[in-house]
Amino acid sequence: QKEVEQNSGPLSVPEGAIASLNCTYSDRGSQSFFWYRQYSGKSPELIMSIYSNGDKEDGRFTAQLNKASQYVSLLIRDSQPSDSATYLCATQGGTALIFGKGTTLSVSS
Amino acid sequence: SQTIHQWPATLVQPVGSPLSLECTVEGTSNPNLYWYRQAAGRGLQLLFYSVGIGQISSEVPQNLSASRPQDRQFILSSKKLLLSDSGFYLCAWSGTGLDYGYTFGSGTRLTVV
Repeated sequence: QKEVEQNSGPLSVPEGAIASLNCTYSDRGSQSFFWYRQYSGKSPELIMSIYSNGDKEDGRFTAQLNKASQYVSLLIRDSQPSDSATYLCATQGGTALIFGKGTTLSVSS
Repeated sequence: SQTIHQWPATLVQPVGSPLSLECTVEGTSNPNLYWYRQAAGRGLQLLFYSVGIGQISSEVPQNLSASRPQDRQFILSSKKLLLSDSGFYLCAWSGTGLDYGYTFGSGTRLTVV
């Protein structure tokens, strides 16, 4: 059974701080990794994708991938109250994406 | 640009009633289509996926079914709803490569009473 594990949180950070969200996956053959943001009551939206070991930056977001450790992370710099949401990690599980249960982030002003 | 439409947004149905949720995609051809369910406090569970017209794969045995009558149309159905069918139903599409992330529709909140 291919699995994606995330700490459910909540992760609480003050406004302006760096939020660090972590994810591990069980399938060593996974090649594609995605981070989604889901606001309460809304559908998930794709914010980052990463395919190679190392860092990928997009604005305030940085995704980090370590395939040897089967570990993916998302850093959010200068966190804003509008970043408060549930963040879902996903990886390609052959036929479809497999999602973690998500980490809830709360940014306080 | 590609857009995905899903309706209805909210649905309250009695136990034993039928269900039909519809999803359509615009601006692309031959998309991969998916139905996921998100129950309260739980992760996204893949229900069905389709790589083409009439081609449906089921991931979880249940009283739900899916159909793809047209290239960009995906329908989720049930003949008799159970209380356990309550949840947030999400349709998604992707390109045909394995490296594509999914784009989700706005979802249907189903409450079975």
